[in-house]
Amino acid sequence: QVQLQQWGAGLLKPSETLSLTCAVFGGSFSGHYYWTWIRQSPGKGLEWMGEINHAGVTNYNPSLRGRGTMSLDTSKNQFSLILTSVTAADTAVYFCARRDYQLLRDWGQGALVTVSS
Amino acid sequence: SSELTQDPAVSVALGHTVRITCQGDSLRRYSVTWYQQKPGQAPILVIYGDNQRPSGIPDRLSGSTSGDTASLTITGAQAEDEADYYCESRDSNGKHWVFGGGTKLTVL
Repeated sequence: QVQLQQWGAGLLKPSETLSLTCAVFGGSFSGHYYWTWIRQSPGKGLEWMGEINHAGVTNYNPSLRGRGTMSLDTSKNQFSLILTSVTAADTAVYFCARRDYQLLRDWGQGALVTVSS
Repeated sequence: SSELTQDPAVSVALGHTVRITCQGDSLRRYSVTWYQQKPGQAPILVIYGDNQRPSGIPDRLSGSTSGDTASLTITGAQAEDEADYYCESRDSNGKHWVFGGGTKLTVL
């Protein structure tokens, strides 16, 4: 079973850039998987942010309004999320996950990112 | 606002049956997945393909759909079922994924 381990800066100031990375253990990027980022604002629900497949094809939630970029590094078995110009509204727990066809079967542990001046 | 609508909170007496619903036009075309999330944890998959249960998920959890509404039913709710439940499916254009707003289930 694949394991996802994520990390990144936990405290940012408004207008800074959020950067998170998720390492994949026990699996590869090949095949039908979509490598996904999801976030959850404090006390709120889940928000799908976007995904990237093994070929680097991305699909973003329009709500990111062009601020988000997802990438993958197959040599390191890692994928990453960059979110620019953060505001307090981007404060959330960010999860990486692997979509297996339609299912988010495997999740990272989550990483809290706080945006505060 | 989400394209998938869930009741914010539902409660059920221990051992009784509860239905959690998820409504959205896209459910007429696309299947739904249900996730369970407990405080401080990542969500886990409990139902996929409208009504399929992954291995390891108790058979007291079941899924169904009718028209634009999907349901997650827990028959004989246990204390460990107390959690937030989220539905997920495609958006109305089929291009993106969307979660429902979540339902907080309390087992009394």
